[in-house]
Amino acid sequence: KQEVTQIPAALSVPEGENLVLNCSFTDSAIYNLQWFRQDPGKGLTSLLLIQSSQREQTSGRLNASLDKSSGRSTLYIAASQPGDSATYLCVCATTDSWGKLQFGAGTQVVVTP
Amino acid sequence: EAGVAQSPRYKIIEKRQSVAFWCNPISGHATLYWYQQILGQGPKLLIQFQNNGVVDDSQLPKDRFSAERLKGVDSTLKIQPAKLEDSAVYLCASSFDRVLQYFGPGTRLLVL
Repeated sequence: KQEVTQIPAALSVPEGENLVLNCSFTDSAIYNLQWFRQDPGKGLTSLLLIQSSQREQTSGRLNASLDKSSGRSTLYIAASQPGDSATYLCVCATTDSWGKLQFGAGTQVVVTP
Repeated sequence: EAGVAQSPRYKIIEKRQSVAFWCNPISGHATLYWYQQILGQGPKLLIQFQNNGVVDDSQLPKDRFSAERLKGVDSTLKIQPAKLEDSAVYLCASSFDRVLQYFGPGTRLLVL
């Protein structure tokens, strides 16, 4: 069974610092890996999706890497802003045809002005 | 395009009472998911529908939880009777291609 672990569980940084969020997974047979953002009282928003054959994806200040051989993914957020404060979830999709998702517990990020 | 709608947004009940949640997916999305997210944990899949059929309900506590999607569009999730440990956020998601899932805002349930 796929296990997804996120370290650290919580992180607080001053505005302007770069954020590094880590994710590890036990089964390298994934279909894709996504990073989601969750804001209190709101649903989950997909930030980046990395296909199994890819090594990284970038969107604006966000960059996510994927290393299937070591079972790791890292989300980098450059020049953090208070609006980046949220919980970030690492999610692995299984290779079965139904696209089942396995979620990590998340990293809660606070960016202080 | 309208997103996934869920209601109610909040619900407080006493243990042993019953409760129902409603979800309306994005139009045209055949796949619908219900997740349970306990505080401090990631969401856990409770049940997955493909149109009006159940694809996966392996983690649904069937002695107290039930879900239906009779016409293959909107869905309801019911808990009867509720326990303290059912306090959580219940998320609904839908997908057109089973690759990208779109999540609703969730229903926050507190069982006293």
